[in-house]
This record gives sequence, structure tokens and C-alpha cells, in this order.
Amino acid sequence: NAGVTQTPKFQVLKTGQSMTLQCAQDMNHNSMYWYRQDPGMGLRLIYYSASEGTTDKGEVPNGYNVSRLNKREFSLRLESAAPSQTSVYFCASLYQGAYEQYFGPGTRLTVT
Amino acid sequence: LAKTTQPISMDSYEGQEVNITCSHNNIATNDYITWYQQFPSQGPRFIIQGYKTKVTNEVASLFIPADRKSSTLSLPRVSLSDTAVYYCLVGDDNYGQNFVFGPGTRLSVLP
Repeated sequence: NAGVTQTPKFQVLKTGQSMTLQCAQDMNHNSMYWYRQDPGMGLRLIYYSASEGTTDKGEVPNGYNVSRLNKREFSLRLESAAPSQTSVYFCASLYQGAYEQYFGPGTRLTVT
Repeated sequence: LAKTTQPISMDSYEGQEVNITCSHNNIATNDYITWYQQFPSQGPRFIIQGYKTKVTNEVASLFIPADRKSSTLSLPRVSLSDTAVYYCLVGDDNYGQNFVFGPGTRLSVLP
């Protein structure tokens, strides 16, 4: 049982490049989330997926797109990276009704 | 969304009990209170959750007064490994999207 896994762990992009962050969970959770965390700050919700086939915007969705590929996988795409998107990105999952989110190890993204 | 206020930082010594208070004056009737712990370079980890009165697990206790406008996370006999950022979240939705992470409280445990 690996929990929540994220790939890659580190990434450096140039401004304007695109990339997809991958997230998978093996806990059969219904809901999945993408957060970003800037240095010294709390986490901010980018997008979430309450269940397979649905996605909704969070607090800071601009510049991102997501895909809930199946129940296990939830990807985050940066179409045209900007330096303001330099951050640590965390994926999380939750079993509906349990309130306890399980977080992945994070992806550290730098945009130059 | 109910906003929370916590101290930015706290210091303690090994073996002491640490209490971190969170204010949430506009908490709604259906809101639950949840606390997470985050170590450097890791994702947050769930510690405890409550609705009212007192909740205790193997890691911490959560005290919630009758008016629910604040809550206190209590860590008994802290060790150096408890040095982390602690987040108080308030929300009413079991999908999790309404839980907002503020800047948290940075706890430093000193030897």
C-alpha cells in the first residue's frame, strides 16, 4: 500500500514550457486534490475532484488544468509555465465522509 | 468559509506539554475542526479532528469549548521530533474542498 504517489519529485521548467504532474492513490478514495505551497505559506487548493469524472476549481486555478483519469489517478497540467508557478505541489486524497486527507510527498517545481 | 487565526510560531522544551490555540469566530453549525502536522519537505499529516468537547487519540488531544469559537491542540510531553508546522482547519464539507490551510503555527522544540 503506497498511499499517495507523485511524479516527478523535482522539475525545472523554462517560462512557456508545459508539463503534467502525475498523482496516484491506491486507497480507493473517492476525492482527490491538488494544492500548491509557496515558501513559508500554507497550502492553497488549485483543483479538486470529488469523485471520478468530476473536477472543480479551488482557490487558485488560473494557469492550471486537471484530469481525473480514473479513480486512482489525478493529473495537473501547466500549459504555459510562469515564474509565479514556482512552488511545491501536493496531491491529496480523501475517503468521502472521513475528513482525513492523505498527502503525497510533493513535487518541487521551479520555473525560470 | 470559516477563517482561522493561530500564533505564527511557538517555542517549547522537550518533555513539556504544548497547547496551540486556534480562533475561528465565525464557525458554522456544521463545521468540523481538523488539525494537520507538516514536517519540512513533506506533505501534511492528519493529527486529530473534532466537533465539540474533547477528543483524544494516541498523538494529541483537541479541546473545543461549548461556543466552538476556538479550539486547542494539546501535545503531551513533546520531543524534538515534534518540531513542525501545525495547521488548524475548519470546514463543513466531507469532500474537503472547503478546508482552508492558513499559514499555520511553527512549533520549535528545543533540547
